[in-house]
Amino acid sequence: GAGVSQSPRYKVAKRGQDVALRCDPISGHVSLFWYQQALGQGPEFLTYFQNEAQLDKSGLPSDRFFAERPEGSVSTLKIQRTQQEDSAVYLCASSFLTPNEQFFGPGTRLTVL
Amino acid sequence: GNSVTQMEGPVTLSEEAFLTINCTYTATGYPSLFWYVQYPGEGLQLLLKATKADDKGSNKGFEATYRKETTSFHLEKGSVQVSDSAVYFCALSRNAGGTSYGKLTFGQGTILTVHP
Repeated sequence: GAGVSQSPRYKVAKRGQDVALRCDPISGHVSLFWYQQALGQGPEFLTYFQNEAQLDKSGLPSDRFFAERPEGSVSTLKIQRTQQEDSAVYLCASSFLTPNEQFFGPGTRLTVL
Repeated sequence: GNSVTQMEGPVTLSEEAFLTINCTYTATGYPSLFWYVQYPGEGLQLLLKATKADDKGSNKGFEATYRKETTSFHLEKGSVQVSDSAVYFCALSRNAGGTSYGKLTFGQGTILTVHP
């Protein structure tokens, strides 16, 4: 079956623009995670959903970052008024239930100019 | 808080050489430990895992043993191949309970290049 998909794969934004990154998890997966991976670093946790409920958003770096999963399937990570420090790869992962194996998408590489 | 430290890279080896990538962790309680691999142009994939002390995870010729006394989870392979060239990440998650939700804490990654 299909894995986790993310779109767009690459996004270039001018500083101050808003961006929206999409994640399509594996069908039936209850848990969904977002991670941020800076160049040369390991991924860092941003937020977690169980179905449509956002149970942990402790990793979101500022109130410019917002995530939603309104129907418990597709999720969108939105970044308002992008800054250069937001440049990173944004990874989405899903699992059937925690703490089962997380399956990662290919990521969206965001470059803020 | 939880943290993972990996040996600094990059690591360059000849085919059939022995591989060790060191990983140590700091965590409260008894976490689960993982090695993830990222091949060029692909997403992160789980390579192996161990969920309790003295467990050995293994896959594709790679092994790692959960050492509670040294808080380590070193990755080893007896004979590497060119196709093993990738970035390797050590990671942990707190076990079920509390508010961990299984979220992963990663090391910084180690780039492995294997030459023919």
